[in-house]
Amino acid sequence: ILNVEQSPQSLHVQEGDSTNFTCSFPSSNFYALHWYRWETAKSPEALFVMTLNGDEKKKGRISATLNTKEGYSYLYIKGSQPEDSATYLCALLPSGNTPLVFGKGTRLSVIA
Amino acid sequence: GAVVSQHPSRVICKSGTSVKIECRSLDFQATTMFWYRQFPKKSLMLMATSNEGSKATYEQGVEKDKFLINHASLTLSTLTVTSAHPEDSSFYICSARFPSGDTQYFGPGTRLTVL
Repeated sequence: ILNVEQSPQSLHVQEGDSTNFTCSFPSSNFYALHWYRWETAKSPEALFVMTLNGDEKKKGRISATLNTKEGYSYLYIKGSQPEDSATYLCALLPSGNTPLVFGKGTRLSVIA
Repeated sequence: GAVVSQHPSRVICKSGTSVKIECRSLDFQATTMFWYRQFPKKSLMLMATSNEGSKATYEQGVEKDKFLINHASLTLSTLTVTSAHPEDSSFYICSARFPSGDTQYFGPGTRLTVL
């Protein structure tokens, strides 16, 4: 059974602070890594699909990096805003035709 | 991004009844859809992979006669929880794989409560 770990489980930050959290996965089973942002009562929103070691992707104030050799990805949020409050999920795609394996998510609360 | 709808968003039913949940990809055709279940404080647990025109592939421990999946068209997959019991109460969420295969788009989920 593949294990995808996310830390921390939850996080409270002040508005304007920058923050980051981690997704760890088995480096021997890697095809792609997906990041999703999940707000309450909404559909999880796809943020990034990362495939190459050393990848760095950016979307506004959110960016992500990938290290496939050591099996981790970081998600960074610069200058957090209350609207960034959500659960951030990472999911491992072990091969091209297999389902995603999800971590438990990091719940971010940004306090105004 | 692409849109996936799920209906109903919330359902309360009596023990012993069956409940059908629909998952639709609104602006793309999805040959593959996935059904997940989320337990409190746990990650999304894959229940089954639904392929258009063929039988669903169930994960280990998921009863196929209990959770009936039908993927009759390229835009619709349904999950029917048969003879629901209180232990089936959970959050069920579907996703549809975009044709390029890079991304899955999720529905908003269905909260099922069985009394």
